[in-house]
Amino acid sequence: QKEVEQNSGPLSVPEGAIASLNCTYSDRVSQSFFWYRQYSGKSPELIMSIYSNGDKEDGRFTAQLNKASQYVSLLIRDSQPSDSATYLCAVIGGGSYIPTFGRGTSLIVHP
Amino acid sequence: EAGVTQFPSHSVIEKGQTVTLRCDPISGHDNLYWYRRVMGKEIKFLLHFVKESKQDESGMPNNRFLAERTGGTYSTLKVQPAELEDSGVYFCASSHGDGREQFFGPGTRLTVL
Repeated sequence: QKEVEQNSGPLSVPEGAIASLNCTYSDRVSQSFFWYRQYSGKSPELIMSIYSNGDKEDGRFTAQLNKASQYVSLLIRDSQPSDSATYLCAVIGGGSYIPTFGRGTSLIVHP
Repeated sequence: EAGVTQFPSHSVIEKGQTVTLRCDPISGHDNLYWYRRVMGKEIKFLLHFVKESKQDESGMPNNRFLAERTGGTYSTLKVQPAELEDSGVYFCASSHGDGREQFFGPGTRLTVL
């Protein structure tokens, strides 16, 4: 059974700091990796996708993928209180198009 | 561009009743997915439509759940009869192309008493 693991948190960081969110996955042939942000009571919003090893940057967000170690991370630079949300990691395995989700990490950015 | 919409936002029903959830995908998205999140658990896949055809329904829990997508536009998910364990948030998502990047609706929170 494919699994995606995330620390449920909450992860608390001060405003302006770097928030680091981590995710590990069990399926070695996974090909596509996603980070969704979900505010309480709202829909999950896709904020980052990454498909190859290394770093991918988009504004204050950087996704990092290490397939050998089977982990993917999300760094949020200059964290803002508006970044406070639950961050969901999702992974699509080889030969599939259906993502497996982690339970999410709650991030709290305090002023 | 309008996002994925779902109706109703909340539904409270009694065990044994029937409930129908509706999802309107982003216009032009051929792929439509249904997911469910039970409290404290991860989001779980239920089924996938490509246009009006069911591509994968491996996540449907049992035959009390029936999904349709007439004309390849909006979709409905009917639960009949509802059981207590059906409670949760039902999300719909849509995508175009290879379907990897999916856009989610706000969900329907279903409570079965």
